[in-house]
Amino acid sequence: DGGITQSPKYLFRKEGQNVTLSCEQNLNHDAMYWYRQDPGQGLRLIYYSQIVNDFQKGDIAEGYSVSREKKESFPLTVTSAQKNPTAFYLCASSMIVYSNQPQHFGDGTRLSIL
Amino acid sequence: QQPVQSPQAVILREGEDAVINCSSSKALYSVHWYRQKHGEAPVFLMILLKGGEQKGHEKISASFNEKKQQSSLYLTASQLSYSGTYFCGTEGQGAQKLVFGQGTRLTINP
Repeated sequence: DGGITQSPKYLFRKEGQNVTLSCEQNLNHDAMYWYRQDPGQGLRLIYYSQIVNDFQKGDIAEGYSVSREKKESFPLTVTSAQKNPTAFYLCASSMIVYSNQPQHFGDGTRLSIL
Repeated sequence: QQPVQSPQAVILREGEDAVINCSSSKALYSVHWYRQKHGEAPVFLMILLKGGEQKGHEKISASFNEKKQQSSLYLTASQLSYSGTYFCGTEGQGAQKLVFGQGTRLTINP
């Protein structure tokens, strides 16, 4: 079955440490997205990518970095510059970045501070 | 700018109807609706494009009034499986990205 796989499911970060969240999709989608969700809040866009080797900042990109070296993969690094990283992180993909395309989500990674 | 959803929460008995609203201060090109159960991934429900169309999916339907910059999600004869948090995602003209509302928590009791 096609889908989006995020790993790990739970992740703990120490002070000053960078951590990387994995996102892999086998839906053959061109567009991929990273969202952050805080308790009781909606989804906020961190970064998105329309095509391999290209990505754009979303609304809350500070303290995060991404890469898109392969169509299937869009890892997110939470850097030490992100002072409040505790949240639920969701990766999504769609066929292309256009409004008539639904986004398919992974099961998320829950990041906490040690 | 984040769209505003109302109500923030609603509790129903099985079989009752519900309406969830999503309003934006900006001109919209499209509205997406998703449902998320606790600790799970959001699941796509439907997309409405500008043109004021109404779409349906079994007993869940939605409308989009582009003049008022708002969309409404209608759940009729609600089932226990409808419980969860509903999010609208709006796309402004030429924006090519979604901005999600804060969510509406729907609880269906037997």
